[in-house]
Amino acid sequence: EADIYQTPRYLVIGTGKKITLECSQTMGHDKMYWYQQDPGMELHLIHYSYGVNSTEKGDLSSESTVSRIRTEHFPLTLESARPSHTSQYLCASSEGGSNGELFFGEGSRLTVL
Amino acid sequence: GQSLEQPSEVTAVEGAIVQINCTYQTSGFYGLSWYQQHDGGAPTFLSYNALDGLEETGRFSSFLSRSDSYGYLLLQELQMKDSASYFCALGGYNKLIFGAGTRLAVHP
Repeated sequence: EADIYQTPRYLVIGTGKKITLECSQTMGHDKMYWYQQDPGMELHLIHYSYGVNSTEKGDLSSESTVSRIRTEHFPLTLESARPSHTSQYLCASSEGGSNGELFFGEGSRLTVL
Repeated sequence: GQSLEQPSEVTAVEGAIVQINCTYQTSGFYGLSWYQQHDGGAPTFLSYNALDGLEETGRFSSFLSRSDSYGYLLLQELQMKDSASYFCALGGYNKLIFGAGTRLAVHP
């Protein structure tokens, strides 16, 4: 069973607020990811990290930022939320190498009013 | 860049076999993965093909042909609980790019 946790699970906030979505994993995985997914749609990679102090932007442009100060923690921050940020944000991690297996958290569903 | 194509919807009856195809375009990749996602849930890993050929995991099998830029997921003995979205994904060393997903509806 995967040990990757996201908080909050649900968040409703007003436009202009700053938010941080938390993601933690206890598996010691070097690689971590943030995907954005609208209901019934594909997953878009917005950020990834292959280790401490390494972060990269994904294929979908995003106004969010991430940090990786500790192996187990990969928070995502929106400095000023807008209604267009309304979506589900999925955090995932994987072991080193390339076996294609990602472990996903349960997601954070964000609604910006 | 990379892109993947899958059918948007597939319908089948309980006990049947269904195949979900995935075609892709890429300049290079390590392997093709498959994920299942139930409504409101997180994606869960099903299968991975690094090499051409068939990989079998219980009722699920996955196939890859690099020369045809094509793969598929085969689900046998369908059950109602298999109703979900299925995503193929191209694996690079540091990231995984997902297709748009195929919604499978299993009927009695």
